[in-house]
Amino acid sequence: QVQLVQSGAEVKKPGASVKVSCKASGYTFTGYYMHWVRQAPGQGLEWMGWINPNSGGTNYAQKFQGRVTMTRDTSISTAYMELSRLRSDDTAVYYCARGRYYYDSSGLIFTDFQHWGQGTLVTVSS
Amino acid sequence: DIVMTQSPDSLAVSLGERATINCKSSQSVLYSSNNKNYLAWYQQKPGQPPKLLIYWASTRESGVPDRFSGSGSGTDFTLTISSLQAEDVAVYYCQQYYSSFTFGPGTKVDIK
Repeated sequence: QVQLVQSGAEVKKPGASVKVSCKASGYTFTGYYMHWVRQAPGQGLEWMGWINPNSGGTNYAQKFQGRVTMTRDTSISTAYMELSRLRSDDTAVYYCARGRYYYDSSGLIFTDFQHWGQGTLVTVSS
Repeated sequence: DIVMTQSPDSLAVSLGERATINCKSSQSVLYSSNNKNYLAWYQQKPGQPPKLLIYWASTRESGVPDRFSGSGSGTDFTLTISSLQAEDVAVYYCQQYYSSFTFGPGTKVDIK
């Protein structure tokens, strides 16, 4: 069965960086895009971006451009999300999520997020 | 960006009764070439990640009980729980994937 297992909770100071990992199992890692979504305490869900584990290509939400870097290591089926210049409002649970997609005449079409990791709490505090 | 809104913010329903959650998008998420609505519904229980319930606005994900149903088209959508069970207490989110990805603010469902 598909499993996404994320790294443990982190506490960081403002201005620091954090790198969260997401280890995939139960499917071909390079066959599905991986998304990252965050959820501030008591708040809703915010999409941050995706990585194509096959090519390493990425697409980031405009809000996070310049601060987020998504990478992967195909040898260990693991995706990473690094967020830099942390602020207190970056305190949130960060999720990886395996997304579905298909191709049509327009090209690549993304759809829903079928499987989710358990989440990683990142706390930013001085 | 497409903005998603949901109503109500919360609702309390008696066990066995119907719960209805509404979701509205700021622009149509209906893709005319295939007549599909690019909308999903997720359930999130406390301390857990979201779980996909419905995609293409009305297709139930495998393993999801048939008391959950989705309907609507264009900009207006509904998630219905036909007979609320105790295990359905959760926050429910709609999400559009027509243009990038945005989620609604969530609707909390409790037992009355």
